[in-house]
Formats: sequence, structure tokens, C-alpha cells
Amino acid sequence: GDSVTQTEGPVTVSESESLIINCTYSATSIAYPNLFWYVRYPGEGLQLLLKVITAGQKGSSRGFEATYNKETTSFHLQKASVQESDSAVYYCALGETGANTGKLTFGHGTILRVHP
Amino acid sequence: AQTIHQWPVAEIKAVGSPLSLGCTIKGKSSPNLYWYWQATGGTLQQLFYSITVGQVESVVQLNLSASRPKDDQFILSTEKLLLSHSGFYLCAWSLWGVEQYFGPGTRLTVL
Repeated sequence: GDSVTQTEGPVTVSESESLIINCTYSATSIAYPNLFWYVRYPGEGLQLLLKVITAGQKGSSRGFEATYNKETTSFHLQKASVQESDSAVYYCALGETGANTGKLTFGHGTILRVHP
Repeated sequence: AQTIHQWPVAEIKAVGSPLSLGCTIKGKSSPNLYWYWQATGGTLQQLFYSITVGQVESVVQLNLSASRPKDDQFILSTEKLLLSHSGFYLCAWSLWGVEQYFGPGTRLTVL
């Protein structure tokens, strides 16, 4: 079946340091996977951070970016300089364009802690 | 603007008791609706999806059921709770099955 593997947390970094959270996927049942990063800030609901639906493209939001690499089946999340407000749980997810099932396959989530 | 509301925020229930969790979406007509579940320490799993009123498809068998009595309402229920039902339940909506937008969730503790 489909699966997503991401960096085991918690990941702890200092403010202004760079960040990478790794995500690799296996899409055995989806011909054209869409890839997503979701984030859950403390006390808030799960929200979409960024998405990429075409292999080779890059998505970006709030200073984060991720490139959909079909060759390495990866979708790593990066940020050049993190802020304390980036502390949250980040989920990588895999889905399929236009499928009514709307099934998203999530990774286990990575807790990010940013120290001032 | 669209809003998604889940109720209750949290529940503590006894094993064997019934359960009903609700979700309403305002501001979107005929959305696709989804239920997800996350066990403590586990990952989010899709349980059900619905593309129209009265039609619900099961994705994972967990002795739970779901119904969509109105276009903007999605209900998750069971007549007998198990310890394994504990966790975090999320409702989500989408249009055309692409990115999904999640509600705030319900924390369920079964004792």
C-alpha cells in the first residue's frame, strides 16, 4: 500500500537556524501522487502548509519550501531560518488528484521545537 | 468564508457505551467530507468519506459507522465503544478531492 515516512521527532533547533524535515513516500496505488505538508500549531487545528501536484515542482509558504522529487520519491520540507513561532507538528501526506475517495496517507508527524 | 465545526471538543466515555461525534461545514455547497482518526502515538488514518448526502463509504473497519444526513453534516457513531477507539477524531472537507481542510478535532478517551 501507500506509505509516508518522515523524520522522527522531536527536532530541536535554535531560532534563525536552518531546518530540514525529511519525507519519503511510496505510492503503489496512485499513478499521479499529490504531495502535501500539513501543520498543527499548539492549540490549533491541522492546516495545509503547502502542496505540490506536479513532479519536479516546488511549493512554498511562510518561508517553508518543498520540492516534489519523483526520482528519489522525496518531498523534504526546508526553511532557511526558523522562528520560535514555527514550533508545531508537521505532517507529510500523499494523495491523489481528483479522487473522490480523497484518501490522504499521512506520515507520523514530526514535532519541531524552536528555541529562542 | 467556509467554517468547519466539530462537536464535542472532548469526550470521556466508558467501554461499551454509545458515541456520536458531529461535524458541520458552513460556506461550501456539496463538499466531499471525511473522517480521520489518530491513535495516541499513531498516524492519521482515513475512516470514511462521503461525496453526497446519504452516501458514505468505509475505508477502515474499526467498528464505527458514519452518516451524512444533510449536505453540511457528517456524523460518526458507534453503539459500543472499545478501548481501542480512544484517540483524536478529525473531520475534513474538500472540493474535487484535492487538498483537504480539517476541523479542530475531538479528543476521545475511552475508559
